[in-house]
Amino acid sequence: DTAVSQTPKYLVTQMGNDKSIKCEQNLGHDTMYWYKQDSKKFLKIMFSYNNKELIINETVPNRFSPKSPDKAHLNLHINSLELGDSAVYFCASSRQLTGGANVLTFGAGSRLTVL
Amino acid sequence: KNQVEQSPQSLIILEGKNCTLQCNYTVSPFSNLRWYKQDTGRGPVSLTIMTFSENTKSNGRYTATLDADTKQSSLHITASQLSDSASYICVVGNQFYFGTGTSLTVIP
Repeated sequence: DTAVSQTPKYLVTQMGNDKSIKCEQNLGHDTMYWYKQDSKKFLKIMFSYNNKELIINETVPNRFSPKSPDKAHLNLHINSLELGDSAVYFCASSRQLTGGANVLTFGAGSRLTVL
Repeated sequence: KNQVEQSPQSLIILEGKNCTLQCNYTVSPFSNLRWYKQDTGRGPVSLTIMTFSENTKSNGRYTATLDADTKQSSLHITASQLSDSASYICVVGNQFYFGTGTSLTVIP
């Protein structure tokens, strides 16, 4: 059983389209995240949700809208896709929002290519 | 400003050799530091987690050290294998401040 699963793994789409990436975790964790990894491999936090409540919303364009129907799911919807949105998007979860033993468990990533 | 910097940016070593990766941070308050390994095309996977009271922790051929006074950590890989080729990421604090990563390539 995959702990954090995200779909699709690859997504190729045209500029201006709207797309979604889904994420589910079966670890019973309270907190979920979306990270963006650019071409330089740097992972940057986009959003974090704790028990379905938005905690962190970094300076991400409002074209990106996360949705958490329950604490096991955090989906990412992107409107009006732009070339600069091309990246690998990682979903992650952690047992809780803070705490010394907190470890992030990542999904395998979703590579988005905007043409 | 909370920052995590890693060096070198990339490293190529021969199979069987040892190597050490560095992580310097300015995250405050400090609570813990984690090293992650990210294989190509995969998500990062946790290798070690250290709190401020620990100064060394091992996970097989991986040994992490922490000096909370100088705000430095290192990840030492012993007897490298081809499968060690990956990016290694240092992550500091409860708010998960990510380092820039070190790309390690182990060649036969």
